[in-house]
Amino acid sequence: QSALTQPASVSGSPGQSITISCTGSSSDVGGYNLVSWYQQHPGKAPKFIIYEVSKRPSGVSNRFSGSKSGNTASLTISGLQAEDDADYYCCSYAGSNTVMFGGGTKLTVL
Amino acid sequence: QLQLQESGPGLVKPSETLSLTCTVSGGSINRGSGDYYWDWIRQPPGKGLEWIGHIYYSDYIYYNPSLKSRVTISVDTSKNQFSLKLSSVTAADTAVYYCARASYYYHYMDVWGKGTTVTVSS
Repeated sequence: QSALTQPASVSGSPGQSITISCTGSSSDVGGYNLVSWYQQHPGKAPKFIIYEVSKRPSGVSNRFSGSKSGNTASLTISGLQAEDDADYYCCSYAGSNTVMFGGGTKLTVL
Repeated sequence: QLQLQESGPGLVKPSETLSLTCTVSGGSINRGSGDYYWDWIRQPPGKGLEWIGHIYYSDYIYYNPSLKSRVTISVDTSKNQFSLKLSSVTAADTAVYYCARASYYYHYMDVWGKGTTVTVSS
C-alpha cells in the first residue's frame, strides 16, 4: 500500500489561490468518491477540512474546496491567509475497508 | 463534545510490544451512538501520516497490509476505550500515535486525539 502522491511543497501570497494535488490509482482515488483532506499545524493533531471529495464540514471556511478528476483529487484554497500556513494531507478509501494517506504537502504563505 | 485521549508508555524497547489506549469521553463508543470506525494513525518525526488500522465495535477489524502481521486493535465498550498493540517494534516505529473516530460509510476521520509520542529505544 503506497502513499498517495502529493507535491512536497506549494506556496502563495496572501489573497492568492493555490491548489494541492493528490494522485492515486483506479483502486483508490479514482475508484471511489471518498477522498478527505486534513490540515495540520506544527505540533497539532490533523483537522479534517474536506470529505467525500468536495464537502465541507460545518465550521470550515468556504475558502477551502475540493474536486476530483480521474485518479487525481485536488484541494484549492482561495484568498490565502497567514493561518493557512500548514501541512495538508489527502486520504482516500482504498478498498477492502482500508484507507491510505498522501505523503503530505507543506503550504507556505509568503 | 466528543474527545479522544491517547495514553501509554512513551518509551518502548526494541523487539518489545507497544501498547496504547484511546479513551473516549463526551460520548459513547457503543454501537447505539452511530456507525463509526475507531482508528489508529501514526506520524514518524518529520514525516507524513500513516493509517494503522481500525475497528468497528467488536465486529470488524481492518489493518494496513504493511503492518498487519504486527498489529492488534481491540475495543472495551465497558470502559469506552479502544487499544492498539504493535509487536516486535524497531526504531522505525518511533512516531506520534493518534486515535480518531471515522465515518463507517464515508471513511473520513472527524474527531482526533491530541496524539502521544512513542520512542523505540534501548
